[in-house]
Amino acid sequence: ETGVTQSPTHLIKTRGQQVTLRCSSQSGHNTVSWYQQALGQGPQFIFQYYREEENGRGNFPPRFSGLQFPNYSSELNVNALELDDSALYLCASTDHIKSEEQFFGPGTRLTVL
Amino acid sequence: DQQVKQNSPSLSVQEGRISILNCDYTNSMFDYFLWYKKYPAEGPTFLISISSIKDKNEDGRFTVFLNKSAKHLSLHIVPSQPGDSAVYFCAASDTGANNLFFGTGTRLTVIP
Repeated sequence: ETGVTQSPTHLIKTRGQQVTLRCSSQSGHNTVSWYQQALGQGPQFIFQYYREEENGRGNFPPRFSGLQFPNYSSELNVNALELDDSALYLCASTDHIKSEEQFFGPGTRLTVL
Repeated sequence: DQQVKQNSPSLSVQEGRISILNCDYTNSMFDYFLWYKKYPAEGPTFLISISSIKDKNEDGRFTVFLNKSAKHLSLHIVPSQPGDSAVYFCAASDTGANNLFFGTGTRLTVIP
């Protein structure tokens, strides 16, 4: 069984740029959620994708957007990067839409300068 | 507004003793609670959960207790082992929602 994988591991961008983060869900999982974990904080829900549609969104602006592909992998896109976007971005997958037990990837560390 | 709170940023315990990690929540709609463990450079790993219809759930050395009237849950680890040293996150969910609300974490250090 393959776990959740994310790429890249680390990324450095400058303010105003755009970034794309990628996630492959655990095999058999069809739902992907993205979380942002700022330093010293717990993960905060960004949005969830199920069957290629956004299915719930947290308190994040529209410049945070995503995609889910037919193989259930997912992308998180952030436009017009701000310094406060520096964080660990976690992807989590589950095997059905209402499952609370989410399986996390190792995350992508984004630094915005 | 932080709906799930872990007021102790860190905890140190001797190997073999009990570790007790605490968590409080404010949203009465939460009906499912989870604990995740996180090692450096890894994502959070699911540890144990409890539904609001129960007040205790046990899995080996790990037991979670839920006090709904106090909106409080705790994770007990007995006996504590050095490999338990990690950051522990409490999380909560409303069954009607599709996201988890996390606390800020407690760093547990088990001293050999």
